[in-house]
Amino acid sequence: DQQVKQNSPSLSVQEGRISILNCDYTNSMFDYFLWYKKYPAEGPTFLISISSIKDKNEDGRFTVFLNKSAKHLSLHIVPSQPGDSAVYFCAASEGLASYDKVIFGPGTSLSVIP
Amino acid sequence: NAGVTQTPKFQVLKTGQSMTLQCAQDMNHNSMYWYRQDPGMGLRLIYYSASEGTTDKGEVPNGYNVSRLNKREFSLRLESAAPSQTSVYFCASRDSFNSNQPQHFGDGTRLSIL
Repeated sequence: DQQVKQNSPSLSVQEGRISILNCDYTNSMFDYFLWYKKYPAEGPTFLISISSIKDKNEDGRFTVFLNKSAKHLSLHIVPSQPGDSAVYFCAASEGLASYDKVIFGPGTSLSVIP
Repeated sequence: NAGVTQTPKFQVLKTGQSMTLQCAQDMNHNSMYWYRQDPGMGLRLIYYSASEGTTDKGEVPNGYNVSRLNKREFSLRLESAAPSQTSVYFCASRDSFNSNQPQHFGDGTRLSIL
């Protein structure tokens, strides 16, 4: 049973618009969350993270929102660019001390249409 | 700056053959990891090494062995390959002395078992 779920396998967005990628988790002990971005034939690269003591973290065009009560987080990309087309993985761990055991979701493939 | 280097990039094996996947990092990271990525499953942790000389099982260790040869290198061995081990394998490393540091991934080894 997947502890980290990304229920949308794919998403298409027009260039310049907002992309919203969603992630749900079932383990209430998770308290550190990350987003990774992956291009074809490359390894995942770290994008942004958030600790459970926060409900929002922003880095340039990327913002992650965390709703602990709903066990839900989302990644917002504004404005979306064609270079953002990639697979995005949501990941979670039970605190930084257990960071070696990061659980990844199945990924959402984002296509940004010029 | 090479980062995390995996060899080979592609390999085809017959059922029952053995194979070692190599991974090396040049970032002086103490922790290293092996993941497999399968369609719809995200990345699943096979084994990890928190420091030189130590290894621990992850989520899906059966059928695999690992060796942390030194601080730079972490290899993954399939002793008797099975078709279920057809996957893309990613190696990663992390500076775990700094708790805010994410994992850095190699570009993967695509392995097919016939």
